[in-house]
Amino acid sequence: ETGVTQTPRHLVMGMTNKKSLKCEQHLGHNAMYWYKQSAKKPLELMFVYNFKEQTENNSVPSRFSPECPNSSHLFLHLHTLQPEDSALYLCASRSYRGGGGYTFGSGTRLTVV
Amino acid sequence: AQTVTQSQPEMSVQEAETVTLSCTYDTSENNYYLFWYKQPPSRQMILVIRQEAYKQQNATENRFSVNFQKAAKSFSLKISDSQLGDTAMYFCAFTTQIYNQGGKLIFGQGTELSVKP
Repeated sequence: ETGVTQTPRHLVMGMTNKKSLKCEQHLGHNAMYWYKQSAKKPLELMFVYNFKEQTENNSVPSRFSPECPNSSHLFLHLHTLQPEDSALYLCASRSYRGGGGYTFGSGTRLTVV
Repeated sequence: AQTVTQSQPEMSVQEAETVTLSCTYDTSENNYYLFWYKQPPSRQMILVIRQEAYKQQNATENRFSVNFQKAAKSFSLKISDSQLGDTAMYFCAFTTQIYNQGGKLIFGQGTELSVKP
């Protein structure tokens, strides 16, 4: 357990469903991230939140909608996904001091059917 | 563009032997942090070792050490006395935004390491 908790660990959803991924950290970190990990591809940065403000949206389709209500919680709302969105979604956080390592959760394995 | 390249998709090593994983990167920045992360089948991304670019001394963490060649933009990971628990995917990554806590971490494609008994 690294201090970053992601739920659920596995999720299967139809293309017309709406679901949400949750990430929680109590490390006192002020930056939180969503990454997408697909097979045979490098991790892709999706969103960055810094002190609850979104500072990066890496051209992510609008069917992915992030939410950061406070520095400890990060959500990824999903709707009308495509099969190619099936992947491992990783959340990470980073200390305000910067320079430090990023702490990752165990990810949510998403399958879109 | 800032990129990280890991040219070895898969590697294997016998238990107790030494293995080196390669990584090259590209950036025009002079100051940055480099990382090696390990991702076992449990999917947990675990920090193995970190190197600050302004430090000439190579970082070491127990059996893990790096060979950091700044001019060549090379950052290889050496694992000594390999153990079965070292079997995992290894990712090289870096960030140039060392003072920005919202800074991006850029990853390579990964090297799948198998340690054989």
